[in-house]
Amino acid sequence: QLVLTQSPSASASLGASVKVTCTLKSGHSDYAIAWHQQQPEKGPRFLMKVNSDGTHKKGDGIPDRFSGSSSGAERYLTISSLQSEDEADYYCQTWGPDITYVFGSGTRVTVL
Amino acid sequence: QVQLVQSGARVKTLGSSVKVSCKASGGTFSSYLIHWVRQAPGQGLEWMGAIIPMFGVTHYAQKFQDRVTITADGSSSTVYLELSSLKSDHTAVYYCARSAIDIGDFDLWGQGTMVIVSS
Repeated sequence: QLVLTQSPSASASLGASVKVTCTLKSGHSDYAIAWHQQQPEKGPRFLMKVNSDGTHKKGDGIPDRFSGSSSGAERYLTISSLQSEDEADYYCQTWGPDITYVFGSGTRVTVL
Repeated sequence: QVQLVQSGARVKTLGSSVKVSCKASGGTFSSYLIHWVRQAPGQGLEWMGAIIPMFGVTHYAQKFQDRVTITADGSSSTVYLELSSLKSDHTAVYYCARSAIDIGDFDLWGQGTMVIVSS
């Protein structure tokens, strides 16, 4: 069963960096994931796809301060030079060969 | 540039049905799956199901198998989500999203449709 685990919250100061983690359940450590941002009172926006080898492909118009990486079963979203508009919920998402799609529970990023 | 444009908010009564639409503006759905995702108030994102509009093939999450119907109209590049026998827990924002058939990241989202079920 596909399961993604995220910490409920993360925070960092304005201008600093924050790293959000998404962990794939055992047996699925080679799966790619996607990161989505949901700002308050808005719909989700695709940020990037992150592969198991750490390569990532961003969506159109996503700023350079957003990057992705991987280590084992963990997938990361790093936001550098944190801005006030980066305060949002961040969801990871993956998919299986049997046409199933799963979201993590989301991580709320707070800009201090 | 393709956008997914959803129908407006709806207020429905218990036991009734609602049909929400998602239209590809500026393009078509060819070679894509269109998904529906639910977000209950204060909650996270939950995948409900998807359709391949080109073929009319649907896939549903087990939780929603008997509660929703997803259809497509290729001539108008529109996908529909129908919810029947509405209950209070159907109150949520419903999003459509796109993914390639062979790559499952949701790379484009609709703006969302609020459905409120009232007694």
